[in-house]
Amino acid sequence: GQNIDQPTEMTATEGAIVQINCTYQTSGFNGLFWYQQHAGEAPTFLSYNVLDGLEEKGRFSSFLSRSKGYSYLLLKELQMKDSASYLCAVIYSGNTPLVFGKGTRLSVIA
Amino acid sequence: GAVVSQHPSRVICKSGTSVKIECRSLDFQATTMFWYRQFPKQSLMLMATSNEGSKATYEQGVEKDKFLINHASLTLSTLTVASAHPEDSSFYICSAPGTTGYTFGSGTRLTVV
Repeated sequence: GQNIDQPTEMTATEGAIVQINCTYQTSGFNGLFWYQQHAGEAPTFLSYNVLDGLEEKGRFSSFLSRSKGYSYLLLKELQMKDSASYLCAVIYSGNTPLVFGKGTRLSVIA
Repeated sequence: GAVVSQHPSRVICKSGTSVKIECRSLDFQATTMFWYRQFPKQSLMLMATSNEGSKATYEQGVEKDKFLINHASLTLSTLTVASAHPEDSSFYICSAPGTTGYTFGSGTRLTVV
């Protein structure tokens, strides 16, 4: 299988930093996406990693280690509006569908 | 950027009726469209892959006679839920691969009563 694992739920405080981890099977790996999804809405693209290292984009950063089959999404200066589900998704080859993890529901509290 | 327009956004129907969901690529040609289903508090699960001009490929456990997919042109893919039942109530969303990544439709919330 292509199990993609991420924590089910996380809670963090407004203004803090939170790291959401994701592990995946490395065989055939061709890229990793992070999406944000609010309830009842379509996923919103956050980041795409295909090479090792850290990609920073404003308050959001994403890290990838291909050898370890590991990625994380880092959210800084948390805001209440960041409360959402964060989906880790992997593309394994070519024009194939994204394989999604189960998503991490993040609750930001005051 | 690439846009996929999905309609309707919400639909409520009676059990036994059929519902058609459309996804149109507005500024690019989508030779492939992926159809996902998402139940509450769960992730997106791939149902099927449609390819323009050929039969759709269904994932294991997805009934092809119930979820009818048509990809008649490079800009339109449709999913018809035939004889819908309450257990088919879910969030359905399409996604097309493009040169800048994957583009998602806005999703369809189907409620079968």
